[in-house]
Amino acid sequence: QLQLQESGPGLVKPSETLSLTCTVSGGSISSSSYYWGWIRQPPGKGLEWIGSIYYSGSTYYNPSLKSRVTISVDTSKNQFSLKLSSVTAADTAVYYCARPGGGDWGQGTLVTVSS
Amino acid sequence: EIVLTQSPATLSLSPGERATLSCRASQSVSSYLAWYQQKPGQAPRLLIYDASNRATGIPARFSGSGSGTDFTLTISSLEPEDFAVYYCQQRSNWPPRLTFGPGTKVDIK
Repeated sequence: QLQLQESGPGLVKPSETLSLTCTVSGGSISSSSYYWGWIRQPPGKGLEWIGSIYYSGSTYYNPSLKSRVTISVDTSKNQFSLKLSSVTAADTAVYYCARPGGGDWGQGTLVTVSS
Repeated sequence: EIVLTQSPATLSLSPGERATLSCRASQSVSSYLAWYQQKPGQAPRLLIYDASNRATGIPARFSGSGSGTDFTLTISSLEPEDFAVYYCQQRSNWPPRLTFGPGTKVDIK
């Protein structure tokens, strides 16, 4: 069974770049059967898809975040990463990494944007 | 862009009662509709995928139906652990995107 674990700073200053990594265990991140994604949830609110990356390396982003988001994969480490630039308080949320097609999610990590 | 609408926003029921949750898409999503359950402080848990298929380990009291634009999640008899927020989610093929509904909270009456 796949396990996913998010890691990265819990506090980011406004205007800086949020960087998170998701480590996948129990399966290969390079499998053609999988695609991977990042989803976030502001405190007390619903779920918002940030973007996805496929085994081919193709990426697809939420149009509302596209100008600030980069998702990449490191197959040698079985990890994929999220970078969100120019953050504001509105980006404060629990960030989840997931394999949406299989329903596998990490436990989530709270990222607070504050000076 | 496909928008998902869930109703009702809140459903107040007692254990043992039947819960019927609705999800409507602004345009057809075929059968690419999933349902998730989320409890406080936890990640969402996949219940149903492709509109009507139960995910591994999900009890038979959870069932999904629908296609096109109208979908339903039914919990046949609520257990105490079923009180939670439920989200529907669609997956579009091109461009590949995920969209979540705003959620329905099922709370104890």
